[in-house]
Amino acid sequence: RKEVEQDPGPFNVPEGATVAFNCTYSNSASQSFFWYRQDCRKEPKLLMSVYSSGNEDGRFTAQLNRASQYISLLIRDSKLSDSATYLCVVTSSGGFKTIFGAGTRLFVKA
Amino acid sequence: NAGVTQTPKFRVLKTGQSMTLLCAQDMNHEYMYWYRQDPGMGLRLIHYSVGEGTTAKGEVPDGYNVSRLKKQNFLLGLESAAPSQTSVYFCASSYLRGGGTYEQYFGPGTRLTVT
Repeated sequence: RKEVEQDPGPFNVPEGATVAFNCTYSNSASQSFFWYRQDCRKEPKLLMSVYSSGNEDGRFTAQLNRASQYISLLIRDSKLSDSATYLCVVTSSGGFKTIFGAGTRLFVKA
Repeated sequence: NAGVTQTPKFRVLKTGQSMTLLCAQDMNHEYMYWYRQDPGMGLRLIHYSVGEGTTAKGEVPDGYNVSRLKKQNFLLGLESAAPSQTSVYFCASSYLRGGGTYEQYFGPGTRLTVT
């Protein structure tokens, strides 16, 4: 079983749609959680950190459920520019053991 | 402020050749990392460094060596390249944020093909 698992997609949605991505992790000692965005043939870039209380940044909302070892990302009012691969990232052991999920591809169409 | 830079951007090697990938960061970050990314897989950590003069093995260290002689530079060496090392290599650096989180900043990547 992979340490961090994501649905690879692709998710094909129209502009304006709401889309949700899920991620599960296996190490209960994991400490920090992130969503990164990666455009085709580019480097990953931090989208947002994920906190136990849940957090929101504009159209993006991230949730963490430690009991279920589950992380989610919700994108509201999808834009064409949201088309990318979204990577779920989990760190432990002081932040040095960083595990990346394989990513979920999103295509937003006009 | 260039952030994290990597050289070269592309390289083709023959099996058995050696090369060094250079990563440089100008953000004064303590921590630096080398990852490889293969199709259908997440980024996998090769080696990392928690400070100048220190390095440690990650998830997939075999066939690679690293050095961190200066805080701003992290070098990744392939002593004898193999086709299995064909991949995209990303360097990253990070610092400790409030709350104990480590946000990583990535370089643009090096696309390496070993024939």
